[in-house]
Amino acid sequence: DIQMTQSPSSVSASVGDRVTITCRASQGISSWLAWYQQKPGTAPKLLIYSASTLQSGVPSRFSGSGSGTDFTLTISGLQPEDFATYYCQQADSFPATFGQGTRLDNK
Amino acid sequence: QITLKESGPTLVKPTQTLTLTCTFPEFSLSTSNAAVGWIRQPPGKALEWLAAIYWNDDKHYSPSLKSRLSITKDTSKNQVVLTMTNMDPVDTGTYYCAHRPHTLPRGYFQYWGQGTLVTVSS
Repeated sequence: DIQMTQSPSSVSASVGDRVTITCRASQGISSWLAWYQQKPGTAPKLLIYSASTLQSGVPSRFSGSGSGTDFTLTISGLQPEDFATYYCQQADSFPATFGQGTRLDNK
Repeated sequence: QITLKESGPTLVKPTQTLTLTCTFPEFSLSTSNAAVGWIRQPPGKALEWLAAIYWNDDKHYSPSLKSRLSITKDTSKNQVVLTMTNMDPVDTGTYYCAHRPHTLPRGYFQYWGQGTLVTVSS
């Protein structure tokens, strides 16, 4: 299995801040990576796929970059509704593994 | 508006078999390149990909659970069924089904069910 490692595991930030979350794959996955946002008690929501393609309807303050083994999710201008847990997921090969999650909370 | 809904028991005993059904009225899994998968999440923990089935009946499983899992589809009913044998308390968690539409590449899940909490306890 390809292991996905996110850092940090948690981060505290304030509204308006710029936040960056990283995801590292244990082997190269080209650009086959997605980012999801999950709020307590709800299903994950697809934010970005293929490393940098913004899913329709997702605000442009979310952006993704990277290829190979190292990827980043950036939130520019944090909004109150962005406090949540974020997961990366590789889609290069089966099983389509997820990272352990990064919890973003309000400082 | 695409929706998916999971159904099945909320409580199973250790060693029993879990059967979960995912129903999706608004799309067909016979559409080329469409897929449905199952993902679970133990309480307070990360997401874990379990299995996926494709429009052409191609199936993939998590290697660590492969011996215990089976995924099937009933295109006429717009349903996908996941069975997991020999349930253990560590299998307790929320089980989600999710849909990769034909418009997305690879195994990205755009649509998710609300999830169903399954507790394994005697």
